Amino acid sequence: KAGVTQTPRYLIKTRGQQVTLSCSPISGHRSVSWYQQTPGQGLQFLFEYFSETQRNKGNFPGRFSGRQFSNSRSEMNVSTLELGDSALYLCASSSGPGRELFFGSGTQLSVL
Amino acid sequence: EDQVTQSPEALRLQEGESSSLNCSYTVSGLRGLFWYRQDPGKGPEFLFTLYSAGEEKEKERLKATLTKKESFLHITAPKPEDSATYLCAVQAADDYKLSFGAGTTVTVRA
Repeated sequence: KAGVTQTPRYLIKTRGQQVTLSCSPISGHRSVSWYQQTPGQGLQFLFEYFSETQRNKGNFPGRFSGRQFSNSRSEMNVSTLELGDSALYLCASSSGPGRELFFGSGTQLSVL
Repeated sequence: EDQVTQSPEALRLQEGESSSLNCSYTVSGLRGLFWYRQDPGKGPEFLFTLYSAGEEKEKERLKATLTKKESFLHITAPKPEDSATYLCAVQAADDYKLSFGAGTTVTVRA
């Protein structure tokens, strides 16, 4: 069974640009979550989707957005990039509430 | 707000030297407590889920236990390949997100 797939693996952008990250969950998983990981803040929750609906959102500015498609694949978008957005963005999928999250390898975003 | 505190921040062990990692938490109604292992440049790898106080789970050299306020991850006779950052996370009963601790970085020397 294939794991969670995230693309691209690495991204370099400049301030003010926007970026879209993609995530394909484990087959059969309908819940997809996104996390930001930085050395200073650790893992911070961004948002969670289930059946194309956002069920929960973390404390991030509106520049961070996401969506989920009918095949459970998900994308997240960051507009007007800032230097502080440099981080590892992790996608995780789950089979349901209370069940373990399985993480992808992440997208390492560098904003110059 | 859910809070998760892990200690120590870093742990250096000699191969075969057993030790324990601590995760203390505050959450309004625990749905589950999760342990993950993360290697540099990779996403967290799931280890255990604990749901209620008194529960224990084991996998190879790792054993996780849970009380009402904290969880321990015991590493028995560690090997160099056990070197990683170990993350603890909680999920509240009325929520879907995981709140993570900062992690404990374990280094096992041969």
